[in-house]
Amino acid sequence: AQKITQTQPGMFVQEKEAVTLDCTYDTSDPSYGLFWYKQPSSGEMIFLIYQGSYDQQNATEGRYSLNFQKARKSANLVISASQLGDSAMYFCAMRSTGANSKLTFGKGITLSVRP
Amino acid sequence: NAGVTQTPKFQVLKTGQSMTLQCAQDMNHEYMSWYRQDPGMGLRLIHYSVGAGITDQGEVPNGYNVSRSTTEDFPLRLLSAAPSQTSVYFCASRAGGDSPLHFGNGTRLTVT
Repeated sequence: AQKITQTQPGMFVQEKEAVTLDCTYDTSDPSYGLFWYKQPSSGEMIFLIYQGSYDQQNATEGRYSLNFQKARKSANLVISASQLGDSAMYFCAMRSTGANSKLTFGKGITLSVRP
Repeated sequence: NAGVTQTPKFQVLKTGQSMTLQCAQDMNHEYMSWYRQDPGMGLRLIHYSVGAGITDQGEVPNGYNVSRSTTEDFPLRLLSAAPSQTSVYFCASRAGGDSPLHFGNGTRLTVT
């Protein structure tokens, strides 16, 4: 079974600084993908970034990067140059490769950006 | 391009009532799913479908039914609402491969 763990309490970061949101996972599948989603206070789920287990390089999307450490089974999200609009709940999720594979979510981390 | 459309946005039910949450996508995605979100629990999978005519249970299927008669639509039925089903419900779909899930805007359901 797959498991995603997000244990940080509410996170705070000063505007324009970088922040790392932790995510560890557990799976016995050799091939899988890791995803991060953002949920602002308005409630929608916004896809941020994806990392495949066999990708050689860490994924980056604009100010978002994924610090993927396969041996440690961690997939931390790094947000650079935080903005007030980054204040939201962030979810880490994983899915094994395959058409029927289901996306399993962690419990989320709340990030607050201070001006 | 509308993406994933959920209706209604809000609903209040009395215990024992039934209702259907509607979900439609216009991206021709084969995979569709329903999640519920509760405080401190993240998103939990209720049911999913890998194509028209095929559905399967997720992590928390009890009290919910689904059907998939077309590629576009994936309704979620509450047969006899219970207060424990008070939650925010999300429908999502995706294409194949490594594609991410695309979510609807959610339905906030309260059962009194």
